[in-house]
Amino acid sequence: GAGVSQSPSNKVTEKGKDVELRCDPISGHTALYWYRQRLGQGLEFLIYFQGNSAPDKSGLPSDRFSAERTGESVSTLTIQRTQQEDSAVYLCASSFPSPTSGSFADTQYFGPGTRLTVL
Amino acid sequence: QKEVEQNSGPLSVPEGAIASLNCTYSDRGSQSFFWYRQYSGKSPELIMFIYSNGDKEDGRFTAQLNKASQYVSLLIRDSQPSDSATYLCAVNIAGGTSYGKLTFGQGTILTVHP
Repeated sequence: GAGVSQSPSNKVTEKGKDVELRCDPISGHTALYWYRQRLGQGLEFLIYFQGNSAPDKSGLPSDRFSAERTGESVSTLTIQRTQQEDSAVYLCASSFPSPTSGSFADTQYFGPGTRLTVL
Repeated sequence: QKEVEQNSGPLSVPEGAIASLNCTYSDRGSQSFFWYRQYSGKSPELIMFIYSNGDKEDGRFTAQLNKASQYVSLLIRDSQPSDSATYLCAVNIAGGTSYGKLTFGQGTILTVHP
């Protein structure tokens, strides 16, 4: 079946421009996560959705970052007035409650990511 | 102190050897622990997770957890060149409002040479 998809796969933009990144989760996955990965680093949590609500936005670096989700479907991450330090790979993951543990952590599937380069 | 710390590496082992990857975490509320493998330019893929103290084996991989020492490790037996990748340790703190939120270490680069 289809996995998590993200678009675009690569985005090059100029400093100060706005960008929109898209994530299509696996059908039926109620939870959706955005992470950021800078070159040579681990993943940083940005935001978590359960359905279309976002109980935890604590990882968003600044008010230039926002995200929304339509129901249990597509999510978009928007970065306004991009800065060079925003350059990174933005990864989306979706999950469902594990049948054995009930945890959403056991069942996270990652998309291929969007590589954002801000010139 | 970072929440999740890993050996910075890179770690190089000969083919057929045991590769040992280590990770420490700071939050005693951490409930579950994950090892992901990430090939260059690709997204992370889950190798295994562990909840309880002790060892958990899956094929050539063994995860070891010691909650008292706040330490989790991954052993790869009979290492193959195809195991060459970055290995990411992640932890989940159960409860709160972020079900499933993972906190990652910076990753350890493993190279298995023929």
